[in-house]
Amino acid sequence: GAVVSQHPSWVICKSGTSVKIECRSLDFQATTMFWYRQFPKQSLMLMATSNEGSKATYEQGVEKDKFLINHASLTLSTLTVTSAHPEDSSFYICSARDQPNIQYFGAGTRLSVL
Amino acid sequence: KQEVTQIPAALSVPEGENLVLNCSFTDSAIYNLQWFRQDPGKGLTSLLLIQSSQREQTSGRLNASLDKSSGRSTLYIAASQPGDSATYLCAVGKGTGANNLFFGTGTRLTVIP
Repeated sequence: GAVVSQHPSWVICKSGTSVKIECRSLDFQATTMFWYRQFPKQSLMLMATSNEGSKATYEQGVEKDKFLINHASLTLSTLTVTSAHPEDSSFYICSARDQPNIQYFGAGTRLSVL
Repeated sequence: KQEVTQIPAALSVPEGENLVLNCSFTDSAIYNLQWFRQDPGKGLTSLLLIQSSQREQTSGRLNASLDKSSGRSTLYIAASQPGDSATYLCAVGKGTGANNLFFGTGTRLTVIP
């Protein structure tokens, strides 16, 4: 089956620094990738839809200047959390869409901001 | 806005028991519905995908049903095993290509040896 790799799996950073998370589709090309956030004991919430070669589409309430998304190739999307603060600590999961319209998920990245 | 609810939030059963997990959604205009498994601190593993035109899907000891008109889906696990312990999420796909996946909050299952 399709494999999506997400890196890093866990990152700890100081408040005010920026963190980049990578999402790669290993055995298929994905023109569309998705970024989700999951707070403890809550459901996954879609943050943004990442389209290869164009700007990402952000969900309501998600700051596009804080969560920078780049989808420069058909197999890689990156999410950069800029000037991270403790309230940004969460579990971030990406997915990549393959045919026929099935999303395959990465293993997630746990971000802890001190 | 689509809302997805899963009941119960947590469930403990002895090994070998059959069990049912429930998922309900408020908007019946869905593209598909998926059941996922999530182990602690890990990503999601897709278990079953039901297209809106289907009523059920089976994989091994798992059977998922979909009643779109009533906004309900169930995941049936037969002969549960300790390795089945995980959080089970249902997600409803809306829109062409199911770009939007709306997730429930999950049911945390513990199978006691």
